[in-house]
Amino acid sequence: SQTIHQWPATLVQPVGSPLSLECTVEGTSNPNLYWYRQAAGRGLQLLFYSVGIGQISSEVPQNLSASRPQDRQFILSSKKLLLSDSGFYLCACAPDRGLGEKLFFGSGTQLSVL
Amino acid sequence: AQKITQTQPGMFVQEKEAVTLDCTYDTSDPSYGLFWYKQPSSGEMIFLIYQGSYDQQNATEGRYSLNFQKARKSANLVISASQLGDSAMYFCAMREAYSGAGSYQLTFGKGTKLSVIP
Repeated sequence: SQTIHQWPATLVQPVGSPLSLECTVEGTSNPNLYWYRQAAGRGLQLLFYSVGIGQISSEVPQNLSASRPQDRQFILSSKKLLLSDSGFYLCACAPDRGLGEKLFFGSGTQLSVL
Repeated sequence: AQKITQTQPGMFVQEKEAVTLDCTYDTSDPSYGLFWYKQPSSGEMIFLIYQGSYDQQNATEGRYSLNFQKARKSANLVISASQLGDSAMYFCAMREAYSGAGSYQLTFGKGTKLSVIP
């Protein structure tokens, strides 16, 4: 079964600083990968998804970007963080593609931008 | 319009009792999938159960069952014999086959916070 490693667990960053969140997956190959953000008390908002190496689709225009340099590595970045970037970020993996594909999530990163 | 609606922000249930968490959805796509996820206080999202729009029978996974009423567009989660460890946020989600995206995207509801009382 797949395992999703996501770090760091918590992060406090000043406004205007850069960001790099990393997610790696074990136990599967060629998965769909996703970055979600969850604001306090809200549902999940899809930020980016990737169906393969170097293939990134963005769902929400923002100052964040994503990259997939390897099959099982997904990185969320920003050059300059905004206060509105604060939230809980979750990486997810879908090893089986299709309508019924189940998402498996990492443990998340709580980002506070001050 | 919201695609997934969870009308119960919070629910309480006595330990060992059954509880139903409501979810209604909105889609014109004939082919879709419905999911329930659990999010404990640790933050990780845990897959619970899946129902396809063409599935004839309601999905079941252990103590979890999905009450799928297609005509009413509802997909309620039923948890039988509640346990203290069931206290968590529960999210209903939907994936449409023809969302126009290159990947099948999940749309989540805002969640229901379930508290199990000993």
